[in-house]
Amino acid sequence: DTVLTQSPALAVSPGERVTISCRASESVSTRMHWYQQKPGQQPKLLIYGASNLESGVPARFSGSGSGTDFTLTIDPVEANDTATYFCQQSWNDPLTFGSGTKLEIK
Amino acid sequence: EVQLVESGGGLVQPGRSLKLSCAASGFTFSNYGMHWIRQAPTKGLEWVASISPSGGSTYYRDSVKGRFTISRDNAKSTLYLQMDSLRSEDTATYYCATDWRSNWYFDFWGPGTMVTVSS
Repeated sequence: DTVLTQSPALAVSPGERVTISCRASESVSTRMHWYQQKPGQQPKLLIYGASNLESGVPARFSGSGSGTDFTLTIDPVEANDTATYFCQQSWNDPLTFGSGTKLEIK
Repeated sequence: EVQLVESGGGLVQPGRSLKLSCAASGFTFSNYGMHWIRQAPTKGLEWVASISPSGGSTYYRDSVKGRFTISRDNAKSTLYLQMDSLRSEDTATYYCATDWRSNWYFDFWGPGTMVTVSS
């Protein structure tokens, strides 16, 4: 299975720029997608196809990368961005998710 | 407004069965693939199963193959997950999700239903 590795946690202040990384154990082309999950809620799609912003998602969110290295950027961070962010690949079978990066806003 | 509402979760003993439902509304259900994803308590996300718009093609992760069956009733706009021979490691919140663009990611998720497998 394709393993997606994410940093476990980050803490930033409002107004700052934050980058969340996701590294794949093998190439996933640009079939990387990002989700936000707030406590007690279901995940929400933010970015699909590595860099495409889902409709209704603020332009503060952006994604980049290809192959094995991907980044989700939030600029500027707001207080309500407190959440866990997951990456997910759809290039290799089975579909897999990263373990999530918990973002704390100081 | 797009809505997905899962139901059917609960406490079940190991080896028993449970059937989850996901009622969809606000979109043409029969046009889109659908997925089940689960999340064990305080854990990450795990894809479980997928089904094509017509229901003619189904896909499963290895650990549930032969035990779980995904199906759909397009006339009722409802997705199902029949779970047999349940194990403790199946304990999780189960989410259904849409796949608008048929690109194997999850555009819209329901709020989930909790399944606990324990004696």
